[in-house]
Amino acid sequence: AQSVTQLGSHVSVSEGALVLLRCNYSSSVPPYLFWYVQYPNQGLQLLLKYTSAATLVKGINGFEAEFKKSETSFHLTKPSAHMSDAAEYFCVVSDRTGRRALTFGSGTRLQVQP
Amino acid sequence: GAVVSQHPSRVICKSGTSVKIECRSLDFQATTMFWYRQFPKQSLMLMATSNEGSKATYEQGVEKDKFLINHASLTLSTLTVTSAHPEDSSFYICSATVQGSGNTIYFGEGSWLTVV
Repeated sequence: AQSVTQLGSHVSVSEGALVLLRCNYSSSVPPYLFWYVQYPNQGLQLLLKYTSAATLVKGINGFEAEFKKSETSFHLTKPSAHMSDAAEYFCVVSDRTGRRALTFGSGTRLQVQP
Repeated sequence: GAVVSQHPSRVICKSGTSVKIECRSLDFQATTMFWYRQFPKQSLMLMATSNEGSKATYEQGVEKDKFLINHASLTLSTLTVTSAHPEDSSFYICSATVQGSGNTIYFGEGSWLTVV
């Protein structure tokens, strides 16, 4: 069984500050890992994904995440927050079988203060 | 690139009626699609796995007689919420994986259901 834990349901940063959204996973084998963003009243958009290639993954909009097996973590970062980054962020894990069902974290709402 | 289209994007229905949500893979064949549900201010939860040509596999706690899933073709899966109640009001979203693409997962745009 796999699970994913996002620490902090709400994170507030100032515009221009570092964004750090935490995610830890639990899986018997290294899974696929994703970060998705959901803007208000919209669907899901893929930010980035880890599939066992490079451990530092760069995504869209300046976001990146680092897979750390020893810490079972996949934290999302962005050096400088922008007002448009305000949204809900989901850390997601998928197994490596053909089923590809996703397990979503509880989500972290990012607020960006001017 | 591969696209998954979901319709309707928003629907309001009266309590007791049924509503159908469609999920189409536009330029690829999807033998498996997934249906997720998101209640307000909560995360997404897998409801069921839709398998082309066979019965859907439901997650624990999801009523299969209430949430009817039909995957009659390789490009279309439908979710029908039968005898809808206000507590069924939620965001429903489907996803599909392109065969042979490894881990590429495509989501539909999602459907907001409001039962009044």
